[in-house]
Amino acid sequence: QVHLQQSGPGLVKPSETLSLTCVISGDSVSSNTAAWNWIRQSPSRGLEWLGRTYYRSRWYYEYAMSVTGRATINADTSRNQFSLQLNSVTPEDTAVYYCARVDKQNWFATWGQGALVTVSS
Amino acid sequence: EMPMTQSPATLSVSPGERATLSCRASQSVRRNLAWYQQKPGQAPRLLIYAASTRGSGVPDRFSGSGSETEFTLTISSLQSEDSAVYYCQQYNNWPPAFGPGTKLDIK
Repeated sequence: QVHLQQSGPGLVKPSETLSLTCVISGDSVSSNTAAWNWIRQSPSRGLEWLGRTYYRSRWYYEYAMSVTGRATINADTSRNQFSLQLNSVTPEDTAVYYCARVDKQNWFATWGQGALVTVSS
Repeated sequence: EMPMTQSPATLSVSPGERATLSCRASQSVRRNLAWYQQKPGQAPRLLIYAASTRGSGVPDRFSGSGSETEFTLTISSLQSEDSAVYYCQQYNNWPPAFGPGTKLDIK
């Protein structure tokens, strides 16, 4: 059974960088069938897909238009984890952030526990 | 991003009764639709994928139907633990997109 464990700071100052990590157990970040996603949830934006990474002979990275240019997702094979960095945050980036796994088609069968990130000075 | 709509926004149903939740896509998503249940303080839980296939461990009182642009989640014989917000999500078009949710209260 796949389990995702998230970690990261709960408070980030405006204009700084939000960083979150998702540790995978029960699967490999280098899986040839899975994809590793970041999703956030806020009262104003609802559930919003942010981006994903996956390995199919090489690494792929895809981002939502709303965060393109600010978001970076990385995969760390040595630690079997993936991460999200979001630059130049504003209070509008305040949300609960989730990591999630996709296998086969793009429904999200496995989720991390979620992490509330507040952007405030 | 393709917008999804859900109705009603809130639904209140008595235990033992049936709840019917609707999800609409602005264009066809074929049967590439999933449903999730979210309880307070928890991550969403996959209930249904491919419009009508139950996820692992999901009770058979949860059923999904529909295709193209109109979808329904039916919860028969409601139980108190079914109180939650339910979201639909399309994965036919890129990027994947969620509906705004229906809050289900058990009277």
